[in-house]
Amino acid sequence: GEQVEQRPPHLSVREGDSAVIICTYTDPNSYYFFWYKQEPGAGLQLLMKVFSSTEINEGQGFTVLLNKKDKQLSLNLTAAHPGDSAVYFCAVSEWGGRALIFGTGTTVSVSP
Amino acid sequence: NTKITQSPRYLILGRANKSLECEQHLGHNAMYWYKQSAEKPPELMFLYNLKQLIRNETVPSRFIPECPDSSKLLLHISAVDPEDSAVYFCASRKTGQANERLFFGHGTKLSVL
Repeated sequence: GEQVEQRPPHLSVREGDSAVIICTYTDPNSYYFFWYKQEPGAGLQLLMKVFSSTEINEGQGFTVLLNKKDKQLSLNLTAAHPGDSAVYFCAVSEWGGRALIFGTGTTVSVSP
Repeated sequence: NTKITQSPRYLILGRANKSLECEQHLGHNAMYWYKQSAEKPPELMFLYNLKQLIRNETVPSRFIPECPDSSKLLLHISAVDPEDSAVYFCASRKTGQANERLFFGHGTKLSVL
């Protein structure tokens, strides 16, 4: 089945800097991808869902890139601020499209 | 997100039996239990898709899910083990499209003594 690796496991950046998280998946037929943010003691909040037909996706304060050739999905936090401090998970639709397989997570710490 | 409620929020147990509860008010017809151990990603335990159970075969048999109706989900745990200490998240989604996002509850943190 699908396997998802995520790197780096930890990322410390200063406010205003950018931060990049990369996920690598194995199934070339994967079609739907998601980025979730998890703040301490909380559930997971969806940041963005990505379809394999769209390579560049822009959100508020971040950009998601999909590289189908290398089977990589990246999240680029632009101009990070302390409110971005959280654990970020990528996820790939699996189980026949009925559930998600999560990457290993990246803990992002943004200092003033 | 208050539309998926889980209870209890915190649970501290010795070797006992207990049930976790979840209810969603989103009109979704697929519900999930995910387990998140410390510093790990959430891992799928069970999913009910239109009330049909699909289980992750690696989950120990002491975990028994129940879906009394499309808005409620229970997780019965018998004779908990220290390795069961984790946060258990309930999630739900609308079925029919693989691109439909999962909505997560706040989780139940289980600590096994």
